[in-house]
Amino acid sequence: GENVEQHPSTLSVQEGDSAVIKCTYSDSASNYFPWYKQELGKGPQLIIDIRSNVGEKKDQRIAVTLNKTAKHFSLHITETQPEDSAVYFCAASILDSWGKLQFGAGTQVVVTP
Amino acid sequence: DGGITQSPKYLFRKEGQNVTLSCEQNLNHDAMYWYRQDPGQGLRLIYYSQIVNDFQKGDIAEGYSVSREKKESFPLTVTSAQKNPTAFYLCASSIWGTENEQFFGPGTRLTVL
Repeated sequence: GENVEQHPSTLSVQEGDSAVIKCTYSDSASNYFPWYKQELGKGPQLIIDIRSNVGEKKDQRIAVTLNKTAKHFSLHITETQPEDSAVYFCAASILDSWGKLQFGAGTQVVVTP
Repeated sequence: DGGITQSPKYLFRKEGQNVTLSCEQNLNHDAMYWYRQDPGQGLRLIYYSQIVNDFQKGDIAEGYSVSREKKESFPLTVTSAQKNPTAFYLCASSIWGTENEQFFGPGTRLTVL
C-alpha cells in the first residue's frame, strides 16, 4: 500500500523566514496531495492541495510543488508569522481507494518572533 | 452553521469498558471517516463509510466498531478488545470521490485509566 514519509518532524524558524516541509510517497498511482494544518487541540484543516497534472500551486504565502518522477512534494511557507505555528500534515490519495488518504507523520512548526 | 461535530471533547473510561464516540455532520457529505492520532504517528484510518449502511475497515480497525444508520451520523465504539485505546480520535467527512477535501471535526481525547 501507499507509504508517505514526512520531514522534518520539527521545524523552528524566525518570524519572516521561510519554512519548507518535504514528503515522499511510494505509490506512483497516487494523484492527489493535500496539506493540512492542525492547531493545538483542534482538527486538521486543509490549507492547500495539488493534483498530479500540476507541478506547482500557490496561494498567498503558501505554495506546494510536486515532482512525480521523484515521487516527492513539498510545502513552502514564506514570510512566516507566529500564527503559522502548528502541526502540518501531508497526505496522498490512493487512486483506487476512493477518498482514502495516507498521511505523513506530521511536522511541528514553531515560528519565533 | 454547517460543520462536523464530535462529542465529548474529553472522555475518561476505566479499562475493560466499551465507549462510544459521537460524530455528526450537516454538510450533506456521503463519506465519513474515523482516524486515530498518536504523537509522532500522524493520522491512521480506523474505519470509513461511503454510504449509509455500508462501511469498510481501515488500517487499524481491530478493537473498534462503527455503524452508519444515518447519513449525518457515524459513531465509533472503542471496545475492550482495543489494547491501547488512549488516543486522540478524529472524525472527518467528504463528498464522494478521491480528490475531495476531508473536513475534520474538533476531535475527542479518550483516556483509559
